Amino acid sequence: GAVVSQHPSRVICKSGTSVKIECRSLDFQATTMFWYRQFPKQSLMLMATSNEGSKATYEQGVEKDKFLINHASLTLSTLTVTSAHPEDSSFYICSASGAGYGYTFGSGTRLTVV
Amino acid sequence: QQPVQSPQAVILREGEDAVINCSSSKALYSVHWYRQKHGEAPVFLMILLKGGEQKGHDKISASFNEKKQQSSLYLTASQLSYSGTYFCGTERGGNEKLTFGTGTRLTIIP
Repeated sequence: GAVVSQHPSRVICKSGTSVKIECRSLDFQATTMFWYRQFPKQSLMLMATSNEGSKATYEQGVEKDKFLINHASLTLSTLTVTSAHPEDSSFYICSASGAGYGYTFGSGTRLTVV
Repeated sequence: QQPVQSPQAVILREGEDAVINCSSSKALYSVHWYRQKHGEAPVFLMILLKGGEQKGHDKISASFNEKKQQSSLYLTASQLSYSGTYFCGTERGGNEKLTFGTGTRLTIIP
């Protein structure tokens, strides 16, 4: 079956620094990748959608200059949280979609900003 | 707009049945169901496409009424492992973004 690898699983960073999260589709070509954020006891909220080779489409209220998304290849997308602050602490999950593979989720990244 | 799930939370004894509902205000192409354990990513349960189909495996099944824009997840003879938060994810068109519902927390007690 389709597998999506997400790294790191946990990261703690200092306020003001940047953090990069990687999402890789291991056995299929992900034409579209989605990035979600989930706060404790809440649902998954879509942040942005990225298609390989083009700029990401951000959901309303998501700062594109703060959450940089790159989808340079059909197997890799990255989310960089720039100048992170404590309120950015959350669970970030990627999802990859490719022809015939539906939506496959990564294992998530727990970001803590101190 | 986020699909609304009901109930928000439910506590069952092992062996009892549960129904979780997902309702959207917009026309849907498909409904996906996921279960999430605390601190983990959602786990895919099943997908239902428009056409009023019903699906199931083992003791978990679901239905999708596209006219009412509603889906229901049925858990029969619940097991302790069924505990978690259940989310529906709705799609308005094929290969479009998935919008998650408000979630239903299910607790199974011995």
